[in-house]
Amino acid sequence: DQQVKQNSPSLSVQEGRISILNCDYTNSMFDYFLWYKKYPAEGPTFLISISSIKDKNEDGRFTVFLNKSAKHLSLHIVPSQPGDSAVYFCAASLNAGGTSYGKLTFGQGTILTVHP
Amino acid sequence: GAVVSQHPSRVICKSGTSVKIECRSLDFQATTMFWYRQFPKKSLMLMATSNEGSKATYEQGVEKDKFLINHASLTLSTLTVTSAHPEDSSFYICSARDRGGSYEQYFGPGTRLTVT
Repeated sequence: DQQVKQNSPSLSVQEGRISILNCDYTNSMFDYFLWYKKYPAEGPTFLISISSIKDKNEDGRFTVFLNKSAKHLSLHIVPSQPGDSAVYFCAASLNAGGTSYGKLTFGQGTILTVHP
Repeated sequence: GAVVSQHPSRVICKSGTSVKIECRSLDFQATTMFWYRQFPKKSLMLMATSNEGSKATYEQGVEKDKFLINHASLTLSTLTVTSAHPEDSSFYICSARDRGGSYEQYFGPGTRLTVT
């Protein structure tokens, strides 16, 4: 049961344009969402996060939007740069306490390629 | 930012032997560490949650007697793959949550295990 889904396995964008990465989830109890960037044979690097009480969070070139009614979040990168080329994972957290506290459920990842 | 290290980065072992992987938080204390496994071109799969001073909580389908986790201090967790088989070959990644309570997890660089 894939509770967090990234339906686009890959995305190709021209340098300077906007990259939009999408993520859908099914568990309405998720209350915190994160985006990670990952290079091959390395651990993920935290990019940006958003709490379920917000619908937008911005950090420099990265903006995350959350639509709770649609159970959908997206990461916008603008302007895109060749160095942004990597695999992007969205993750959801269920901070309800107990043994589930802090656990992250990851999507399958989207390979972003930014062409010069 | 918070730094998490893993050792070794790559290990090759023979079937039937055991391998220990270390995960350390270098500049913060982590009451909770997580162990993930990533298959080629797949998402990160949470194996277990490791809490300092207590037993690890394993995800469904993960054999606790095969994947031994010890979290002896606030900066160190170890994963021991016992009686390794070729199907255990994978990329193992740990993450740690800051004791301060932020939701973000900081990931180690991963360990590539190859069982021959």
